[in-house]
Amino acid sequence: GQNIDQPTEMTATEGAIVQINCTYQTSGFNGLFWYQQHAGEAPTFLSYNVLDGLEEKGRFSSFLSRSKGYSYLLLKELQMKDSASYLCALTGSSNTGKLIFGQGTTLQVKP
Amino acid sequence: DTEVTQTPKHLVMGMTNKKSLKCEQHMGHRAMYWYKQKAKKPPELMFVYSYEKLSINESVPSRFSPECPNSSLLNLHLHALQPEDSALYLCASSPAGGANVLTFGAGSRLTVL
Repeated sequence: GQNIDQPTEMTATEGAIVQINCTYQTSGFNGLFWYQQHAGEAPTFLSYNVLDGLEEKGRFSSFLSRSKGYSYLLLKELQMKDSASYLCALTGSSNTGKLIFGQGTTLQVKP
Repeated sequence: DTEVTQTPKHLVMGMTNKKSLKCEQHMGHRAMYWYKQKAKKPPELMFVYSYEKLSINESVPSRFSPECPNSSLLNLHLHALQPEDSALYLCASSPAGGANVLTFGAGSRLTVL
């Protein structure tokens, strides 16, 4: 099975940098994803890691360490519109497309 | 077209009703998914179709019946639901199974009275 842990809530200030951590225990996986979900809307894809290291996409970066079972999402130059839930998700080691989400971290950006 | 379209956006039904949720994508994706999401909770996987065949059923009660008529369409037939089935039902698609990015629809918000 898979177990994914994220902080429930975080607060940060507009313009600042915030790091959202995700730790997991799994028997094997193909990739680790980060999705953003605004209240009442569909999740949207942010970033994806399959190998160890940092993936950068504009203001968003994601890091993965498979040996430590650890990932983080880094958001730079925070904007008010970044207030949302951030979901860490894993696909299984078998090629089934089964994507399992963590509980999500609700980020509130304050002025 | 880079969207997944779900209809209806909102649905209210009684416990004896039969209704269906519909999902459509024209991105050529060959994997389609149904997720259920309760308030303040993450999406929970229900079903996965890969190349129009059911590949995963996460022990979903039989009152939920999925159908994939073709590679662009995915339905979820609802019958004899319970009030606790009220939730946001999200459809998603991806190029295929495995480690692919899922594109989600906006969801169908279901209320069971």
